[in-house]
Amino acid sequence: DIVMTQTPLSLSVTPGQPASISCKSSQSLLHSDGKTYLYWYLQKPGQSPQLLIYEVSNRFSGVPDRFSGSGSGTDFTLKISRVEAEDVGVYYCMQSKQLPRITFGQGTRLEIK
Amino acid sequence: QVQLVESGGGVVQPGRSLRLSCAASGFMFSTYGMYWVRQAPGKGLEWVAVMSYDGGNEYYADSVKGRFTISRDNSKNTLYLQMNSLRSEDTAVYYCGKKAPGSVNQGIDSWGQGTLVTVSS
Repeated sequence: DIVMTQTPLSLSVTPGQPASISCKSSQSLLHSDGKTYLYWYLQKPGQSPQLLIYEVSNRFSGVPDRFSGSGSGTDFTLKISRVEAEDVGVYYCMQSKQLPRITFGQGTRLEIK
Repeated sequence: QVQLVESGGGVVQPGRSLRLSCAASGFMFSTYGMYWVRQAPGKGLEWVAVMSYDGGNEYYADSVKGRFTISRDNSKNTLYLQMNSLRSEDTAVYYCGKKAPGSVNQGIDSWGQGTLVTVSS
C-alpha cells in the first residue's frame, strides 16, 4: 500500500495568518494517464469529511480561494492563505492512484490561537 | 445536490452481524462507483470497501475481507455493507462516499454523515 505521511500533526494559527500542511507519499502518485491522484479533505468537528482539493491543485465546488494545493510526484502541500475560524478541524490527504486501496494521511489538526 | 444518508448502525455483540445502508439522491447513482470508509473513535480514516457503478467489481481492505460484503441496488439508489463476524476493532463511524466523476482512479467527492457501529458485549 502507498503510505501517506502528513506534517505537522497539529498546528495552531492566528486568524488572518497563513497555514501550510505537507503530505508525502511512499510512491509517486503520477498515474500513467498523466493525472496525479492526490486529494485534500477537511473534517470539521462533529462532521464528515468534505472535499477541498482534487488532483493536487483543483479546488472543489464552493471551496474558498484561500485554499490552494500544490506539489508533484511524492511531495504535496495544502496552503491556507489567511486562516479563518471556520477552518478549524482535521485535514487529511488521500491518494487514489493505487486502486482499489485508497489510503489517507494521519490527519493534521488545525486550531485557532 | 448530492445527498448520502447512512443508516443501520448500532450496538452489536462480537461475532454478530449488521447491515448498513446508504441512500443516495441528487445524482445518477447507477453511474458512479461507491466507497465505504470508516473512522474508529478518535482515529483517522480507513478505506473499507469499494464497488463499481454496475456492481461488477468489488474490493475490500484486508482487515474486513471475508467478513464484509458490499453491494448495491441501483433501482433503489442504495449502497449496502453487510458486516458479519464483527469484532471490537470494527467499532467505528462508517461513511459512504461517492466516487468523483472522470477516470477510474478518481477519489471521493461527497460523503454521508456517517453511522456509528459499536461492537461490544
